[in-house]
Amino acid sequence: QQQVKQSPQSLIVQKGGISIINCAYENTAFDYFPWYQQFPGKGPALLIAIRPDVSEKKEGRFTISFNKSAKQFSLHIMDSQPGDSATYFCAAGSGTYKYIFGTGTRLKVLA
Amino acid sequence: NAGVMQNPRHLVRRRGQEARLRCSPMKGHSHVYWYRQLPEEGLKFMVYLQKENIIDESGMPKERFSAEFPKEGPSILRIQQVVRGDSAAYFCASSPTGQGYYEQYFGPGTRLTVT
Repeated sequence: QQQVKQSPQSLIVQKGGISIINCAYENTAFDYFPWYQQFPGKGPALLIAIRPDVSEKKEGRFTISFNKSAKQFSLHIMDSQPGDSATYFCAAGSGTYKYIFGTGTRLKVLA
Repeated sequence: NAGVMQNPRHLVRRRGQEARLRCSPMKGHSHVYWYRQLPEEGLKFMVYLQKENIIDESGMPKERFSAEFPKEGPSILRIQQVVRGDSAAYFCASSPTGQGYYEQYFGPGTRLTVT
């Protein structure tokens, strides 16, 4: 019940395309859903986060869509660029401190 | 404005030795979290500390692992008698508070290799 399932495991997108990464959770106590971007050899960097009182949040080319009834949330990267090539992790928290992380999606954007 | 700092960035230890990983939180942050990342996997919570207190160590292995966050100085994650299975990246994160909604900011990690 504490798992966060993330898909796909890897993703290849053409430059300018849309990258979509999906996550699903089971624990309805989760109420904070951040996305992290990690480049090789670096720590995860917070990209964007959403709380379940909204269904969508947009920051620049990054959008989180949240479906509370389905217990799913997704990250959309519009106009994907080669510089977006990284591993993306979704996570879920319950207003406390323990984030449960997904297993990551390795994104490659072709030039 | 310095972010979360961790050192060393890379650490090589032989089986049976001790590993000490250090984390200095962001300025103004008093809550520290340690995570472990195995190759090709997500991050797994290990322990949550405030100054001089361990709040939750439910993710820590029962033996050989310990953590502290003293009144002065960095947080330390200590692994005694390391084994090959301890090889991983260890990340520290910090936040200004552990209550309510907040964001955790991660350091660059320490990559531990046990030979």
